[in-house]
Amino acid sequence: AQSVAQPEDQVNVAEGNPLTVKCTYSVSGNPYLFWYVQYPNRGLQFLLKYITGDNLVKGSYGFEAEFNKSQTSFHLKKPSALVSDSALYFCAVSPQAGGYNKLIFGAGTRLAVHP
Amino acid sequence: DAGVIQSPRHEVTEMGQEVTLRCKPISGHDYLFWYRQTMMRGLELLIYFNNNVPIDDSGMPEDRFSAKMPNASFSTLKIQPSEPRDSAVYFCASSLTGGEESEQFFGPGTRLTVL
Repeated sequence: AQSVAQPEDQVNVAEGNPLTVKCTYSVSGNPYLFWYVQYPNRGLQFLLKYITGDNLVKGSYGFEAEFNKSQTSFHLKKPSALVSDSALYFCAVSPQAGGYNKLIFGAGTRLAVHP
Repeated sequence: DAGVIQSPRHEVTEMGQEVTLRCKPISGHDYLFWYRQTMMRGLELLIYFNNNVPIDDSGMPEDRFSAKMPNASFSTLKIQPSEPRDSAVYFCASSLTGGEESEQFFGPGTRLTVL
């Protein structure tokens, strides 16, 4: 079965410190990978995606993600966290054989950045 | 562009009543998705449309749920009759293309409470 795992329900980090939000996937073939962010009472916003090429992908608001095919992971990172980064983060995969951009979402990880 | 527009933002109804949720996708986007978000099940794809035609409704939970897209700028998700277990946040999303690499743009959601 195709799935996405976000092993941490919550990640706590101090402002200014680097942050990592983990994601692993189980999909046959070579999937496309996405990160979305959800602020309170808002819809999901696209952050970045991996299609092919360089394993390090840069996205919005200073976020980046590293694709690791051997570990089937796509961890989200930021060198220096801001309090305003506090939100719910979703990893998603779109299987290439899906026929359309059918997204399979992880359960989400709540990021809390403390001043 | 105003983004994906959903109405109402909040809906409180009693069990057995009919509920209609509305969505206006981003102009020019040919693909429209309806999702449901709950604490227990996370984000689930209910149905998606391509050029106003329903393509995959395998995620629709049961016959009480129906969705239509009468034109390129409007879609509805109807629940009749509603039940307390339908309480959730319902998101509409649209994308420019249906390719697996395409990002989706989400509306702010409708928070449905069925008493």
